[in-house]
Amino acid sequence: GDSVVQTEGQVLPSEGDSLIVNCSYETTQYPSLFWYVQYPGEGPQLHLKAMKANDKGRNKGFEAMYRKETTSFHLEKDSVQESDSAVYFCALSPLSHASGGSYIPTFGRGTSLIVHP
Amino acid sequence: GAGVSQSPRYKVTKRGQDVALRCDPISGHVSLYWYRQALGQGPEFLTYFNYEAQQDKSGLPNDRFSAERPEGSISTLTIQRTEQRDSAMYRCASSSGGLTEAFFGQGTRLTVV
Repeated sequence: GDSVVQTEGQVLPSEGDSLIVNCSYETTQYPSLFWYVQYPGEGPQLHLKAMKANDKGRNKGFEAMYRKETTSFHLEKDSVQESDSAVYFCALSPLSHASGGSYIPTFGRGTSLIVHP
Repeated sequence: GAGVSQSPRYKVTKRGQDVALRCDPISGHVSLYWYRQALGQGPEFLTYFNYEAQQDKSGLPNDRFSAERPEGSISTLTIQRTEQRDSAMYRCASSSGGLTEAFFGQGTRLTVV
């Protein structure tokens, strides 16, 4: 089945550091790729997305490139801020023929980003 | 509504009792998803509706879990004969269909004692 593997546990940069959170995926279909962000007490919300190979998703200084050849969608930022602290989930949405041609997001286990001032 | 609304926010129930969790999606959203999220984990897919049709229930753990969306709007996830291992955050999400963004509710925290 479909799966997403991302950097697990906590990432603890200092403010101003660069950031890479790895995400690799497996699917037999051609998916769209997403990063969701979750703040304490809230549900996940869309952070950025890329709909096809070589697309780059961007939001609030974060970027992720859809690389089909390496099945990856790593989240990057040049200079993190304390306000970026949250849990980040990589997700894929392939076209699921078993579900009548619908798209059902599959999520990774999450990466907790804690930025120190 | 303004967002996806779930109720109750918190539910404590005794083992063996049945529980019903409600989801009110964003108005007009045709797609509705139920996920379960354990602490420190990502959302785990349970079931999916397109309008009132349950098109995928492959993620439901066993036959104690069921869901319905009779009028294509509000959905109910029912867990019968609850067990302690059912304790988790249950999240509902909705979207306008296709590859559009899924909007999540704040979830129902279920604790089975």
